Parts: sequence; structure tokens; C-alpha cells
Amino acid sequence: GAGVSQTPSNKVTEKGKYVELRCDPISGHTALYWYRQSLGQGPEFLIYFQGTGAADDSGLPNDRFFAVRPEGSVSTLKIQRTERGDSAVYLCASSSRGRGDTQYFGPGTRLTVL
Amino acid sequence: TQLLEQSPQFLSIQEGENLTVYCNSSSVFSSLQWYRQEPGEGPVLLVTVVTGGEVKKLKRLTFQFGDARKDSSLHITAAQPGDTGLYLCAGALGAQKLVFGQGTRLTINP
Repeated sequence: GAGVSQTPSNKVTEKGKYVELRCDPISGHTALYWYRQSLGQGPEFLIYFQGTGAADDSGLPNDRFFAVRPEGSVSTLKIQRTERGDSAVYLCASSSRGRGDTQYFGPGTRLTVL
Repeated sequence: TQLLEQSPQFLSIQEGENLTVYCNSSSVFSSLQWYRQEPGEGPVLLVTVVTGGEVKKLKRLTFQFGDARKDSSLHITAAQPGDTGLYLCAGALGAQKLVFGQGTRLTINP
């Protein structure tokens, strides 16, 4: 069966540009998570969706970061006015219902801001 | 400040040796998970421990959750080159948010 997929696998952009990162969760999973992993660090929580709504967005670093999940399946992480410090691997995970269920991670999108 | 501290951050040993990786925190977690991550891939769950003092075994890997549910350890017996990878511990805050340690990069030399 298909796991979590993320596109693109790599994204290089220039400082100040806008980027969108896409996540396709496992079919039927209602919970979706975004994490950011900087070089040499563990993943850092960004936002959690239950269905279409953001149940917890406490990890978003500032208002340049925004995520949507309009139909309760695919999610898009949007970063405005990118900065060099935004360079990292952005990981998406999904779980069956949330509430402590196992999170299955995608391979991530490596974002490089020049 | 890292909520979960892993030690050591890097470990390189010979095939056949035993090793222990530690994951410590001042916070109490409802559960603690161990993941393994390969280059270019996302973390893959190895085990979840829930009860203080719990011990789980997965072949040559033994996972222990501290009595106070603040710390955990991963012990590998007779390490093999296939065990090489990044090992991450993660604590569950509430029902959904995971807080990760910085990881232990393990290299097993043939």
C-alpha cells in the first residue's frame, strides 16, 4: 500500500520567495502533522490537523508559515518571504485518528533557501 | 533548550559490541517512542513505551521506560552493520504532539 508521499523531494529557492510544500497522507488517515528537521537535529513539531481543521498550530514559528488541508486529505505547507534560516527538511506524517495512534512519516521535502 | 536530551549524539563501535543510548527529560510524558531514520527518509517507529518501568524487546533491541516516565534507554546487543542509522526518541505531549530528541547517530563498523 502507498505510504505518505511528499512533493517536491527537493526545493531550492531564493530569499524572499514564496514556496508551497505538498503532503499526501495515507488514504483514510484523519490526522496529519507537519514537522521541520534542521541539520543535525530531531524533527520539530509545526502543526497538527484533525480532518480539515488545524487542531494545534503552536509550532509554527511565525506568521510567514501557514498550512491548509481543505478537503481533509492533501495538505499544503506555505512559506512566505522565505529566509535562509527556513532551510531544513520538512516532514509530513499521518495517523489513523490522532489521539496517540502511530504516526507514519513521509520522506520529507528538503528546502534550501539561497 | 532541548526538552529531550539524547546521549551520546554520536557513537561508532565495532560489530558484535553492545551499546546503550539514553533519552532524558525533566518532563513527564504520556508515552515515549523510539524511531530510526535513514538518510533521505522519514523516521520509522520502532517501539512505543507507555507504562513507567516498562521494558520491551525487539530482537536484539531492548527499550526501557523510566519509572517516573521522564527517561528511556535503548540497548542493542551484538550490534551489526545493519543497525547503523539515526535513532530518535520522542515524547508524546497529550494525545498528538511529539517532541523529539536531537538524535543519536550510530555507526557499526564491520
